[in-house]
Amino acid sequence: EPEVTQTPSHQVTQMGQEVILRCVPISNHLYFYWYRQILGQKVEFLVSFYNNEISEKSEIFDDQFSVERPDGSNFTLKIRSTKLEDSAMYFCASSDHGGFYEQYFGPGTRLTVT
Amino acid sequence: GIQVEQSPPDLILQEGANSTLRCNFSDSVNNLQWFHQNPWGQLINLFYIPSGTKQNGRLSATTVATERYSLLYISSSQTTDSGVYFCAVLGYGGSQGNLIFGKGTKLSVKP
Repeated sequence: EPEVTQTPSHQVTQMGQEVILRCVPISNHLYFYWYRQILGQKVEFLVSFYNNEISEKSEIFDDQFSVERPDGSNFTLKIRSTKLEDSAMYFCASSDHGGFYEQYFGPGTRLTVT
Repeated sequence: GIQVEQSPPDLILQEGANSTLRCNFSDSVNNLQWFHQNPWGQLINLFYIPSGTKQNGRLSATTVATERYSLLYISSSQTTDSGVYFCAVLGYGGSQGNLIFGKGTKLSVKP
């Protein structure tokens, strides 16, 4: 069964460093998403991406964040200068027909900023 | 925006027991999904169920869209069922995919 994969599973970085979180969505899917979950809290939407551009972004997704689909298979989330409060679990998701349809989530990347 | 409330917040069961988790939402929805977050933090898709009933093994789910709630049933619970169960919805008029998650139900199954 096709699945969304994410790498790395865990990343530790120092405050102020840039990080790139990688996702490989399901191959025939066209809609891509990033969500975030701070430890002990609920999952929050960050950004949706379709047709090589951002469809929607939340208030959390400020200028420190960017997304890219560099090569037709990977989907990346970049945090330009990490802060302690960026420590969280980051989930990538994909969907074949947009948000009305099932979103398939990856296993997540745990980001720890020290 | 749409509000999602899950109950109970915590649930402790003995192995073999049955349970019902509830998700209430404040407006009509286009999409409703149930997830299980395992102790390692991974989110596992359980059901895509904006309406109707579905079953998968010991798990089943029912969404009554007109009454704005969904139920997740777990039968003959096992210790591997432990974790947090999330309900997430996309409201009508919503975006391309801004799923709104509830706070979850934390389930602990004791051997």
